[in-house]
Amino acid sequence: GDSVTQMEGPVTLSEEAFLTINCTYTATGYPSLFWYVQYPGEGLQLLLKATKADDKGSNKGFEATYRKETTSFHLEKGSVQVSDSAVYFCALSDQSGGGADGLTFGKGTHLIIQP
Amino acid sequence: AAGVIQSPRHLIKEKRETATLKCYPIPRHDTVYWYQQGPGQDPQFLISFYEKMQSDKGSIPDRFSAQQFSDYHSELNMSSLELGDSALYFCASSYLGQSSYNEQFFGPGTRLTVL
Repeated sequence: GDSVTQMEGPVTLSEEAFLTINCTYTATGYPSLFWYVQYPGEGLQLLLKATKADDKGSNKGFEATYRKETTSFHLEKGSVQVSDSAVYFCALSDQSGGGADGLTFGKGTHLIIQP
Repeated sequence: AAGVIQSPRHLIKEKRETATLKCYPIPRHDTVYWYQQGPGQDPQFLISFYEKMQSDKGSIPDRFSAQQFSDYHSELNMSSLELGDSALYFCASSYLGQSSYNEQFFGPGTRLTVL
């Protein structure tokens, strides 16, 4: 079955540090890949997405590139802020069922940014 | 912009009771998904509906059932509640007719506590 593996935290960084959160996946077919962010007590917000190999998703200074050869979708940001503190989930949708497939999530990475 | 609406936001039930969670998708969205997120866990896909028909099924217990109505809202019915059902239940919606991937927009969640 499909699976997503991401580094588990907590990951603690100082403000303005470089961020990388690793994510690798296993899927049948040709999945779409997503990063979601969850702030304390809130729902999931889509951060960025990529639907085919070599696509780069980007939003709010975050980037991730769909690497089919390494089955990876690592999240990066050049300079993190305290407000980036949250839990980040890598997810995939393999769409093998034709459309309304549920997302498969990784375990989530708790990111803590210290001033 | 309109978002996914879930009600109630918080619900407290006793063991063996029943609960009904409601989800109102973003206007014009035709697909609804349900997820369960235990404390400190990743969201687990339960079930999805496209155009009022069940589309994909995940790890939904037999004690749970769901449906999508003619106005596209959805209800998750949970019977014989157990302590382990205490979790955050998310609904998400998408419009499958618009893109080749199911970008899902999440609601704020319903926090169910079973005592």
